[in-house]
Amino acid sequence: KAGVTQTPRYLIKTRGQQVTLSCSPISGHRSVSWYQQTPGQGLQFLFEYFSETQRNKGNFPGRFSGRQFSNSRSEMNVSTLELGDSALYLCASSPQGPSDEQYFGPGTRLTVT
Amino acid sequence: DQQVKQNSPSLSVQEGRISILNCDYTNSMFDYFLWYKKYPAEGPTFLISISSIKDKNEDGRFTVFLNKSAKHLSLHIVPSQPGDSAVYFCAASEGNSNYQLIWGAGTKLIIKP
Repeated sequence: KAGVTQTPRYLIKTRGQQVTLSCSPISGHRSVSWYQQTPGQGLQFLFEYFSETQRNKGNFPGRFSGRQFSNSRSEMNVSTLELGDSALYLCASSPQGPSDEQYFGPGTRLTVT
Repeated sequence: DQQVKQNSPSLSVQEGRISILNCDYTNSMFDYFLWYKKYPAEGPTFLISISSIKDKNEDGRFTVFLNKSAKHLSLHIVPSQPGDSAVYFCAASEGNSNYQLIWGAGTKLIIKP
């Protein structure tokens, strides 16, 4: 089985721009979660999608949004980028939800200048 | 308010000895706990889990202990090997796959040869 893939792997943007990150889950997994990782903060939950529906959302501003397609692929979008958005963004897929064993992609490293 | 706390940012252990990583939580509704391991430039990988109906779960060199009254769990690695050097995250949920995972900030484990 192919693992979770994320594109792009690295991204450099300037303040005020917007960015879209993509995640392809493991085949058959219906749940996709997104996390932001910054040094010393661990993984901060952004949102989780299941069968194209957002089931859970973390404590992030509305500039962070996402969606899931019928093939379970997911995208997240960040608008009006700020310097503090620089982080590693991780996507994880699982069969039914986050409490299942999640399989993580390698992440997208976003740098905002 | 950090609901899941890993109070040791780093831990150094001699190869062959026991590594003990600790995690405390504040939410008494948490009833399912997971440990993930993360190498640099990779996404986290699932290690071991435990539900609140048990106080111990073992998988090879890895054992997780849960003390519900103290709201504390620990991961024991015996014997520690150089490949165990990584960042270890504990995460907790209310057991339903629909709920998000709450993650600790991680503990960097360094195994000395």
